[in-house]
Amino acid sequence: QKEVEQDPGPLSVPEGAIVSLNCTYSNSAFQYFMWYRQYSRKGPELLMYTYSSGNKEDGRFTAQVDKSSKYISLFIRDSQPSDSATYLCANPSNDYKLSFGAGTTVTVRA
Amino acid sequence: KAGVTQTPRYLIKTRGQQVTLSCSPISGHRSVSWYQQTPGQGLQFLFEYFSETQRNKGNFPGRFSGRQFSNSRSEMNVSTLELGDSALYLCASAPAMNTEAFFGQGTRLTVV
Repeated sequence: QKEVEQDPGPLSVPEGAIVSLNCTYSNSAFQYFMWYRQYSRKGPELLMYTYSSGNKEDGRFTAQVDKSSKYISLFIRDSQPSDSATYLCANPSNDYKLSFGAGTTVTVRA
Repeated sequence: KAGVTQTPRYLIKTRGQQVTLSCSPISGHRSVSWYQQTPGQGLQFLFEYFSETQRNKGNFPGRFSGRQFSNSRSEMNVSTLELGDSALYLCASAPAMNTEAFFGQGTRLTVV
């Protein structure tokens, strides 16, 4: 079982829609999580960093952590074509390595 | 504040050659990690350095090696290149181990 599971999609939504991205994790030792955005042929860019249960908001982005079910989510409100990218979730594994999900490719249609 | 800088951005090498990639972390960051990204395998952890010491290593053959210098800059080396080593190699820096990591733009290596 991979330490971080993420539906690779792809996901296509119309402009203005809410994008919902989800990951599950298996390691409970390190309770902090990251979401990255990666544009084609670029390095991943850190979007959100959270270490507690509940919601964390940053502009149009909301990260949600449910530790009881080991589920993390990223919501993008009022999505824009510029949000079209691959989104990766990450969580440290038991041996301190940062484990990434497979990434979900999102396309926001104008 | 300057971000993570990786050089070169693109590289084409022949099978059997070796290659060295360079990474300059964000100023003040002491942890540097390296990842390999391919379409089929996603982001795979190679190794992490902190204060010039390798703290963690992924499941890659010994042909992959790295080091970190006293100024936190890091290099990774791949010897006896194989076609399967073609990938985007990403470096990430962090202020400490097990904290949020910031990535560079990567070095795209093509082995022919």
